[in-house]
Amino acid sequence: QVHLVESAGGLVKPGESLRLSCAASGFTFSDHYMTWIRQAPGKGLKWVSYISSSGYTNYADSVKGRFLISRDNAQNSLYLQMNSLSTEDTAVYFCARGGPGVWFDPWGQGTLVIVSS
Amino acid sequence: EIVMTQSPATLSVSPGDGVTLSCRTSQTVGSNLAWYQQTSGQAPRLLIYDASTRATGIPARFSGSGSGTEFTLTISGLQSADFAVYYCQQYDSWPLTFGGGTKVEIK
Repeated sequence: QVHLVESAGGLVKPGESLRLSCAASGFTFSDHYMTWIRQAPGKGLKWVSYISSSGYTNYADSVKGRFLISRDNAQNSLYLQMNSLSTEDTAVYFCARGGPGVWFDPWGQGTLVIVSS
Repeated sequence: EIVMTQSPATLSVSPGDGVTLSCRTSQTVGSNLAWYQQTSGQAPRLLIYDASTRATGIPARFSGSGSGTEFTLTISGLQSADFAVYYCQQYDSWPLTFGGGTKVEIK
């Protein structure tokens, strides 16, 4: 069964850092694009960053220079290192299989990141 | 960036009714469009990809149609589990973009 499970998020202060992880199972992780998507409270869905199977990365302008996506194909894991967090980064973060030219399926259960002083 | 416009924002319907949700894109995306369902507090679930292909395990009461810039998601015989927010998403060009969602609520 194809499955994605994110690590717990948390409450951090503006300017602090947080690292999210996403554990994949049930498919050949190394073959796929993986993407982080976020949803601010009561809002819609916005992509944050993706990484190709070979490690090519791309970021939304709103996080470029602050967030770093990475993957460990041996561990079937995806990561998002979030630095210099601001209140605008408060959201539920989802990892999802998929990326350029492909739909997202499945999605992880989501993890809530709250940035507040 | 391709702008996705979903309408209506909210639909109030009764169980057993049928509904049609609309998604319009600011540029043509061919058939590179997906629909997702998100129930409260849950992750989005893929319903439809390539505009009209049902994802694995999705009931036949969900159907998608359209191409270019105009797309629809039709749900027939609404069941309680179907009351949710529905998002369309284009994957034709980067950045991938989502519509703002249509909430299907119980009348």
